[in-house]
Amino acid sequence: AQSVTQPDIHITVSEGASLELRCNYSYGATPYLFWYVQSPGQGLQLLLKYFSGDTLVQGIKGFEAEFKRSQSSFNLRKPSVHWSDAAEYFCAVGAPSGTYKYIFGTGTRLKVLA
Amino acid sequence: DVKVTQSSRYLVKRTGEKVFLECVQDMDHENMFWYRQDPGLGLRLIYFSYDVKMKEKGDIPEGYSVSREKKERFSLILESASTNQTSMYLCASSLGTSGIGAATDTQYFGPGTRLTVL
Repeated sequence: AQSVTQPDIHITVSEGASLELRCNYSYGATPYLFWYVQSPGQGLQLLLKYFSGDTLVQGIKGFEAEFKRSQSSFNLRKPSVHWSDAAEYFCAVGAPSGTYKYIFGTGTRLKVLA
Repeated sequence: DVKVTQSSRYLVKRTGEKVFLECVQDMDHENMFWYRQDPGLGLRLIYFSYDVKMKEKGDIPEGYSVSREKKERFSLILESASTNQTSMYLCASSLGTSGIGAATDTQYFGPGTRLTVL
């Protein structure tokens, strides 16, 4: 069955430190991959997406993600975290054909220490 | 910018009441979605619609129904609210021009409605 795993429920980093949020998927083929962010009291906002091509994807707010087929991973990174990055982050996969449904991971809540 | 609005940010209802959650998008999107978000479970799809009056069940449709009479509006209905439907409800829309297999379409989300059923 298709699934998305975000193994870290909570992550705490200091402001200015680097960040990596993990996402692993289980899917028969290469799916479409997304990272969304949900700030407190807000809906979800798309950070970046991967469909094909260059496996390093740049997104908004200084985030990037790398698709690694051999590891079935799509980890989100940021070189220097800002206090405003404190939020919940969701990884999602979409099927390449047949449906436009997404499967979301359970989310990683990021806390940033001043 | 795409704007997805939801009729209420917070809602408190009693068990057995009929509840309507409204969602409106202003970008002429074909697809609209209703999710519920619960801690530790992420987002789960309740229903989606790919055209006016067209709908399909998502992963957890039990206890819910939907209505899409106009392209811009997608309503989620709890026929008889129960305490286990206390949750955050998120509406989303996507363009849909790529056809029914359009998982590449970005989904744009509303701010959510936090529903409490007492």
